[in-house]
Amino acid sequence: DIQMTQSPASLSASLEEIVTITCQASQNIGNWLAWYQQKPGKSPQLLIYGTTSLADGVPSRFSGSRSGTQYSLKISRLQVEDIGIYYCQQASSTPRTFGGGTKLELK
Amino acid sequence: EVQLVESGGGLVQPGRSLKLSCAASGFTFSNYYMAWVRQAPKKGLEWVATISTSGSRTYYPDSVKGRFTISRDNAKSSLYLQMNSLKSEDTATYYCARGLLGGGDYFDYWGQGVMVTVSS
Repeated sequence: DIQMTQSPASLSASLEEIVTITCQASQNIGNWLAWYQQKPGKSPQLLIYGTTSLADGVPSRFSGSRSGTQYSLKISRLQVEDIGIYYCQQASSTPRTFGGGTKLELK
Repeated sequence: EVQLVESGGGLVQPGRSLKLSCAASGFTFSNYYMAWVRQAPKKGLEWVATISTSGSRTYYPDSVKGRFTISRDNAKSSLYLQMNSLKSEDTATYYCARGLLGGGDYFDYWGQGVMVTVSS
């Protein structure tokens, strides 16, 4: 199985700050990566798919990138509504696997 | 508006069975792959199963293979998950999720989730 290792596990940031979350794949997954946001008590929401494509309705302050087998989610200017847990997910092979999550809080 | 509404959860004893349902609306159900994803209490997300548009192809991780069966009824716009030989580690919130059209196993809409508790 492909392991997805997210870092950091938790993160505290200020409003308008730039935030970056990373996800390391244990093997090559190409661009088959997605990012999800889960707000407290809610279902996950797709943010990014195919490493860099923004899902419908997602603000442009979210962006995704890749360097080898390391993937990054960047929030350019943190807003209050961005608080929650972020998960990466690989869709390269079965079983589909998720990262352990990054909890993003306001400082 | 896309809606996915799960039902059928509850408390069940280890070794018993349970069947979850997901009623879909707001889109052409038969055009989309569908999936189940679960989340144990205070834990991360775990993919459970995916089914193709016609239902002819299904995919599972080893943790549920042979115990869980995903199915669909396109005429009823409904997705199902039959769970047999349940274990305590199956305790989780189960989400019904829609696969991104033409985009691989990415999940662009999720239901509100249904809780399954496996305990004696």
